[in-house]
Amino acid sequence: EAGVTQSPTHLIKTRGQQATLRCSPISGHTSVYWYQQALGLGLQFLLWYDEGEERNRGNFPPRFSGRQFPNYSSELNVNALELEDSALYLCASSFQISGRAGETQYFGPGTRLLVL
Amino acid sequence: AQSVTQPDIHITVSEGASLELRCNYSYGATPYLFWYVQSPGQGLQLLLKYFSGDTLVQGIKGFEAEFKRSQSSFNLRKPSVHWSDAAEYFCAVGASYSGNTPLVFGKGTRLSVIA
Repeated sequence: EAGVTQSPTHLIKTRGQQATLRCSPISGHTSVYWYQQALGLGLQFLLWYDEGEERNRGNFPPRFSGRQFPNYSSELNVNALELEDSALYLCASSFQISGRAGETQYFGPGTRLLVL
Repeated sequence: AQSVTQPDIHITVSEGASLELRCNYSYGATPYLFWYVQSPGQGLQLLLKYFSGDTLVQGIKGFEAEFKRSQSSFNLRKPSVHWSDAAEYFCAVGASYSGNTPLVFGKGTRLSVIA
């Protein structure tokens, strides 16, 4: 069974540009989560999508946005890039069983974004 | 809302020695608990999880963890550490009811293994 995949593996942008990161969940998973892992800051929760809807968002500015497509894949967009956006961006997916928020998340390998 | 504390930022152990990584959680009901491992520059890999039942959980790579409700802890253990275990370890807690809060992760413990 294929795991969570993310593309691209690396992305280099300059300040002010926009970045688009993509994630394909494990087959059968309807939830996709995005995390930012900047150096020394641990995992910071960004966004949670389930069945095409945004379920929750972390404490990030509106220039971080995303969407989930009908096939459950997801896209994270970061507008007006800043130097401090440089980080490893991790995507995870899970089943979403009614009545349970804390489902097991399975992670992709990440996209490393470097903003110059 | 749930929260997780991993008190140790960095631990160094000798190869072959035993290991215990600490995790304390805060949650009003019986939580779902997880341990993940992250090698440098990689994604997170699930080591083990606790949902209910036996409080001693076995995972991959020879790891185990014990849920202790009275201490609000879910410590990760391994009897004999291998050099390949050097990595970052994250504990996470999840709500066992419907809601909009996904897993909450601790800040991680970095494990170094010396010869």
